[in-house]
Amino acid sequence: DAKTTQPPSMDCAEGRAANLPCNHSTISGNEYVYWYRQIHSQGPQYIIHGLKNNETNEMASLIITEDRKSSTLILPHATLRDTAVYYCIVRAHNTNAGKSTFGDGTTLTVKP
Amino acid sequence: NAGVTQTPKFRVLKTGQSMTLLCAQDMNHEYMYWYRQDPGMGLRLIHYSVGEGTTAKGEVPDGYNVSRLKKQNFLLGLESAAPSQTSVYFCASSRRRGLYEQYFGPGTRLTVT
Repeated sequence: DAKTTQPPSMDCAEGRAANLPCNHSTISGNEYVYWYRQIHSQGPQYIIHGLKNNETNEMASLIITEDRKSSTLILPHATLRDTAVYYCIVRAHNTNAGKSTFGDGTTLTVKP
Repeated sequence: NAGVTQTPKFRVLKTGQSMTLLCAQDMNHEYMYWYRQDPGMGLRLIHYSVGEGTTAKGEVPDGYNVSRLKKQNFLLGLESAAPSQTSVYFCASSRRRGLYEQYFGPGTRLTVT
């Protein structure tokens, strides 16, 4: 699995867009980028994933650079409830979860 | 739908004691997982199952055993608990392999003294 690098923490003003970066320079051609988040003391929650095209769902948008070495998760209008640890994980899509470490993630704090 | 539920929510064990953590899901998912999360760290995969009657090792399987006798249940056992197994344990399930859309339970907070 490719290694990912995320900033340890970020702040965002409520109502503004939150842009969370992730570097994955050693990503392989068959590896997807997944984003999960974990609100304090709860189980993680799936947000979005993508291979090379930009993706959008009701929660967020995922922008992957053309060389696929980095990506950005965008929460378009952050609310206080979006305060959480955000994990960027790179894995092949249809492999069994033999190794599935979530890493340290980015702690996003949304401020009023 | 209850989603993924975990029993118990909290437990304190003494070194050497045994216990079983129960995970149940009502989404008819084929795949189920057990993770542990140590303070201030991300999740690490302990064991997983790709269907009823199957189990496989994850990244940190030592000291744990699992069973999946029914599709909806995934049990995690500690035969002889050690202080190093103090952690929060999360169960998850999904309908597809890998990291695609895993649904997580609320966690079990285990302390081994």
